[in-house]
Amino acid sequence: DTGVSQNPRHKITKRGQNVTFRCDPISEHNRLYWYRQTLGQGPEFLTYFQNEAQLEKSRLLSDRFSAERPKGSFSTLEIQRTEQGDSAMYLCASSLEMTAYGYTFGSGTRLTVV
Amino acid sequence: KNEVEQSPQNLTAQEGEFITINCSYSVGISALHWLQQHPGGGIVSLFMLSSGKKKHGRLIATINIQEKHSSLHITASHPRDSAVYICAPYNTDKLIFGTGTRLQVFP
Repeated sequence: DTGVSQNPRHKITKRGQNVTFRCDPISEHNRLYWYRQTLGQGPEFLTYFQNEAQLEKSRLLSDRFSAERPKGSFSTLEIQRTEQGDSAMYLCASSLEMTAYGYTFGSGTRLTVV
Repeated sequence: KNEVEQSPQNLTAQEGEFITINCSYSVGISALHWLQQHPGGGIVSLFMLSSGKKKHGRLIATINIQEKHSSLHITASHPRDSAVYICAPYNTDKLIFGTGTRLQVFP
């Protein structure tokens, strides 16, 4: 297992376009988290899954954001009608249920909305 | 008031100096991570603590659950330690992040 993988690493899109990011967690991890990080700030929680169930969504996650984890393995995060304020690093992490052990981050997807 | 406060926000040091970064949090936690983030975004977990003290090489992390405080120490700092260090308590199934401490170590 090569850790948490995120694709693409970078994405530049025009305002109003839709974008989708993918995260492949560590295979035995049943928890998967999405965070957003803007320049100079710490990551902010967006949502997390336990297996295929989305257990919590942050109020930061507007209606334009949707995340899925259809088979309890990889996850996608889609942003519709992107805005310049969506420009950020989107981080994925995975861990085992009910423990903070083995919390592993991906390298992130940097989104730039122009 | 933020749930997680780190100090200092920025820190510069000469190579070889002893570094301390402090973290105070207001929420109940079961564990706390110290994370390192280099320019370009990658985050690495350095430590996960639920009590006491841990040591990995030149890095030492301590936590006092009753006082809701943790510290990260770097002994004999080196320019390659230059990064952002983030304190992240684990609360209700997710990490809550501090804004980080930007450390620059000069030769």
